[in-house]
Amino acid sequence: GAVVSQHPSRVICKSGTSVKIECRSLDFQATTMFWYRQFPKQSLMLMATSNEGSKATYEQGVEKDKFLINHASLTLSTLTVTSAHPEDSSFYICSASDSLNTEAFFGQGTRLTVV
Amino acid sequence: KQEVTQIPAALSVPEGENLVLNCSFTDSAIYNLQWFRQDPGKGLTSLLLIQSSQREQTSGRLNASLDKSSGRSTLYIAASQPGDSATYLCAVNGGNNRLAFGKGNQVVVIP
Repeated sequence: GAVVSQHPSRVICKSGTSVKIECRSLDFQATTMFWYRQFPKQSLMLMATSNEGSKATYEQGVEKDKFLINHASLTLSTLTVTSAHPEDSSFYICSASDSLNTEAFFGQGTRLTVV
Repeated sequence: KQEVTQIPAALSVPEGENLVLNCSFTDSAIYNLQWFRQDPGKGLTSLLLIQSSQREQTSGRLNASLDKSSGRSTLYIAASQPGDSATYLCAVNGGNNRLAFGKGNQVVVIP
């Protein structure tokens, strides 16, 4: 299957700082990527759809100014958690597909801890 | 809004037994359904993808069925092994690759 690489796998940051997470499709181009968030013992919740060359589409209740998404190329999307607070601590994971409504491939995830 | 439920939430079985994991969804207007495996603290590994026009998919010891009209899918794992211990997630694609996930079936296979 296709490979999606996410970096970093773990990050610890101080409250008030910003953290950038990268998601790359390694062997295919993805015009659309997706960012999910997972709390312990909970399901993955879709945060936003990252669109190459245009603005991201955010799900209801997700603050776009807090979670900045940039999709500057067909193989890279970034999620920046701005002014992070302890409640932003979570597992963030991205996905991509090589075409519409086909198999989704996920990155390894990023464990963010805000202290 | 699509709601996905997975039952049971957790189960333990002795090695060699067959596993049956259930997934139900409320909106039958789906493009496909995908089963994933997640190990603790790790990302998701795709196991099987069933298109809405299909009734089942098989890969090795894994078999997934889909009854779209009743909003159900079942993942069967034959002859379970300790290495099958993980959380299994069901995800429904309602269009444009936006997935709705269940909370998962946490499986422990006892040697």
